Amino acid sequence: DAKTTQPPSMDCAEGRAANLPCNHSTISGNEYVYWYRQIHSQGPQYIIHGLKNNETNEMASLIITEDRKSSTLILPHATLRDTAVYYCTSLVSSGSARQLTFGSGTQLTVLP
Amino acid sequence: NAGVMQNPRHLVRRRGQEARLRCSPMKGHSHVYWYRQLPEEGLKFMVYLQKENIIDESGMPKERFSAEFPKEGPSILRIQQVVRGDSAAYFCASSPKPGWGSNQPQHFGDGTRLSIL
Repeated sequence: DAKTTQPPSMDCAEGRAANLPCNHSTISGNEYVYWYRQIHSQGPQYIIHGLKNNETNEMASLIITEDRKSSTLILPHATLRDTAVYYCTSLVSSGSARQLTFGSGTQLTVLP
Repeated sequence: NAGVMQNPRHLVRRRGQEARLRCSPMKGHSHVYWYRQLPEEGLKFMVYLQKENIIDESGMPKERFSAEFPKEGPSILRIQQVVRGDSAAYFCASSPKPGWGSNQPQHFGDGTRLSIL
């Protein structure tokens, strides 16, 4: 699985968009990019994933660059409850290896 | 609650005792994954199982740790002769059967926090 790099922390004002970047320059062609978040004392919560195209769901949007070396998770209107550690990871779409590799993530703090 | 259920939420053991952690996957999910999170660190993969079969145990310590997912009942992560270094949060995730070329996300439970005295 690709090694991912994220900034250790970010702040965002409540109601504004939060844009969380992730570098995954070693990603291979069949690796999906996944985003999870972890709020203190809870399990990781799945947010979104994508392969090549940009994706959007009720929680967030995922923008993947054309060369797939980086991506950005967008929370369009951040709330205080979005304060969490956000993890960018990757997973190959075939074979028996199904382990997600979590780095240190980005601590997002939404400020009132 | 149709999510991944883990119990107990908190478990305290003395050094040398055994710890058993249970995980019931989401309804319709046949694949289970265990991860460990040490204090102030990210999650680390331990083992991937389907019913009655271990698919990938490359992240499991070679000794004292074992996992199973029987035909009936929850998946069990078993730690024998626990030591202080086993203190951690243990998370279970589940997914439907992965399909070739498709990706179903893993959904996590809220973990078991194991404390070794």
